[in-house]
Amino acid sequence: GQQLNQSPQSMFIQEGEDVSMNCTSSSIFNTWLWYKQDPGEGPVLLIALYKAGELTSNGRLTAQFGITRKDSFLNISASIPSDVGIYFCAGTKYNNNDMRFGAGTRLTVKP
Amino acid sequence: EAQVTQNPRYLITVTGKKLTVTCSQNMNHEYMSWYRQDPGLGLRQIYYSMNVEVTDKGDVPEGYKVSRKEKRNFPLILESPSPNQTSLYFCASKFLVATMDEQFFGPGTRLTVL
Repeated sequence: GQQLNQSPQSMFIQEGEDVSMNCTSSSIFNTWLWYKQDPGEGPVLLIALYKAGELTSNGRLTAQFGITRKDSFLNISASIPSDVGIYFCAGTKYNNNDMRFGAGTRLTVKP
Repeated sequence: EAQVTQNPRYLITVTGKKLTVTCSQNMNHEYMSWYRQDPGLGLRQIYYSMNVEVTDKGDVPEGYKVSRKEKRNFPLILESPSPNQTSLYFCASKFLVATMDEQFFGPGTRLTVL
């Protein structure tokens, strides 16, 4: 089955910097979601996007559902040390409960 | 507290020794699924279930079995584990509503097969 193409694989940034990561696919998805995984825990939902073109914010996080339905990005502004973790994009297709995940972006924030 | 629980959290076993990882959710979710997480590959779906007695294969079902006899439980069974099944496993659940795609994940089970 097709996974999503997520980039970058890892990022090392300074506290206070902004971060951007994205996910692409060769096929259309009906829903895009962004999860964060802290060490030793399961992924937790950050933002869910249900409509093409939708731009949604959650505090310092902003995510967009691409207009073509084949991509999404996540931005984190003014990063802080607790932003450290692995970020996953995920997508589901219409009437299909098979959720696909990207390989993840590992974020390291240096104080 | 609404949650997905998995047991055990850590398991070391030997090749061929049957094992079961339990998963339980208390949110009355219809949909439950199992994933494995491997470095560089993200999460890959093993099996999913849309309701009691309804299960279907995900991306990587070989070597695994599941059952859904009750709504809240979705155990993962490895009849004859092999070293390539060493991985981090996550159970997840959600409602079957088009605008509620959020899956709630359990804490994970780290399995090592020697």
